[in-house]
Amino acid sequence: EDKVVQSPLSLVVHEGDTVTLNCSYEVTNFRSLLWYKQEKKAPTFLFMLTSSGIEKKSGRLSSILDKKELSSILNITATQTGDSAIYLCAVEGYAGKSTFGDGTTLTVKP
Amino acid sequence: GAVVSQHPSRVICKSGTSVKIECRSLDFQATTMFWYRQFPKQSLMLMATSNEGSKATYEQGVEKDKFLINHASLTLSTLTVTSAHPEDSSFYICSAQQGARTEAFFGQGTRLTVV
Repeated sequence: EDKVVQSPLSLVVHEGDTVTLNCSYEVTNFRSLLWYKQEKKAPTFLFMLTSSGIEKKSGRLSSILDKKELSSILNITATQTGDSAIYLCAVEGYAGKSTFGDGTTLTVKP
Repeated sequence: GAVVSQHPSRVICKSGTSVKIECRSLDFQATTMFWYRQFPKQSLMLMATSNEGSKATYEQGVEKDKFLINHASLTLSTLTVTSAHPEDSSFYICSAQQGARTEAFFGQGTRLTVV
């Protein structure tokens, strides 16, 4: 059974801090790893990672995949209150099905 | 990014009735659509995968006769919760994928409350 584990489950920081969110997985027929941000409703897409060691970057967010360690990290630098959300990691496996982790709830205090 | 529209966003129904939720890809053809369920403070749980023109593939533990999925066209998939019970109350989200190895885009979700 495919499994995705995220850590920490929750995190409280102050504006300006840098955070690192972790995602580890056990998946048969790995295709890709995806990061999503979920605020009040549906998740919004952040990154798709397929190759190990290549960092993807979008503004203050960046992510990298380590296929050897079966893990990925999501970094957010200079956090803002608007970054407060649940960050979901999902791994796409056989037949394109995605298995989601439980998410990391990030709270950024002013 | 691509747009996926899910309707309704919120529905309240009586026990025993059926509810249909629509998921539409507005600006792309979705070869595959996924239906998820999310309980409060929990992650997304995949219910089923549907490919246009073929029967949906349900995850273990999901009753296919209760959660009817129809993917009639490349832009529309529907989930019908039949004979709804209060324990079916949840947040249901669809996602649509244009092709293999592309990211999936999510609808806005539907909050179902069965009273």
